[in-house]
Amino acid sequence: DAKTTQPPSMDCAEGRAANLPCNHSTISGNEYVYWYRQIHSQGPQYIIHGLKNNETNEMASLIITEDRKSSTLILPHATLRDTAVYYCIVKVGSSGTYKYIFGTGTRLKVLA
Amino acid sequence: GAGVSQSPRYKVAKRGQDVALRCDPISGHVSLFWYQQALGQGPEFLTYFQNEAQLDKSGLPSDRFFAERPEGSVSTLKIQRTQQEDSAVYLCASSFAHGGSYEQYFGPGTRLTVT
Repeated sequence: DAKTTQPPSMDCAEGRAANLPCNHSTISGNEYVYWYRQIHSQGPQYIIHGLKNNETNEMASLIITEDRKSSTLILPHATLRDTAVYYCIVKVGSSGTYKYIFGTGTRLKVLA
Repeated sequence: GAGVSQSPRYKVAKRGQDVALRCDPISGHVSLFWYQQALGQGPEFLTYFQNEAQLDKSGLPSDRFFAERPEGSVSTLKIQRTQQEDSAVYLCASSFAHGGSYEQYFGPGTRLTVT
């Protein structure tokens, strides 16, 4: 199974862009990269996902390197409410199951 | 629309008791997943249903853990003879369809404490 590696913690000033890196060097060609965040005592919240191309939605942007071995989640204008644990996940599977393999995540703290 | 709901939100069980945790997925979602999250760790996969069929139970830690989804909607995770190491948050997630590109939506979880 593919594994992800993330820094355990990061700080970001409010209003600035938060760039969260993730390494997934053993990812297979058909495996998607997903990002979720988890605020204390809540279930993980979906942010964005991608396969090869960069993706953008109302919450964030996802930049995937050409070799797909790493990616970066960008929160363009971080707010205090973005303080959370951010998980970079590789979705592994085939015809039977598509399951998430979570890592330990990055604890992002947005500072006022 | 309504998201994934789970009940109870909190459960305290004495060691040796049986517990049942309920998950109501988003209406119409085919796939349903259970995860276990220990304190300070990321969630770990337990089992997966596609409609009523349990297609993967490779993550269930022991034969004391049992999950069902008899009508392809509500699911129940049962833990028999609970042990202290079962203390964790149990998360349920559902997705619209089966496949790599469909995101999973998580419920708030049930926090199980075994004393």
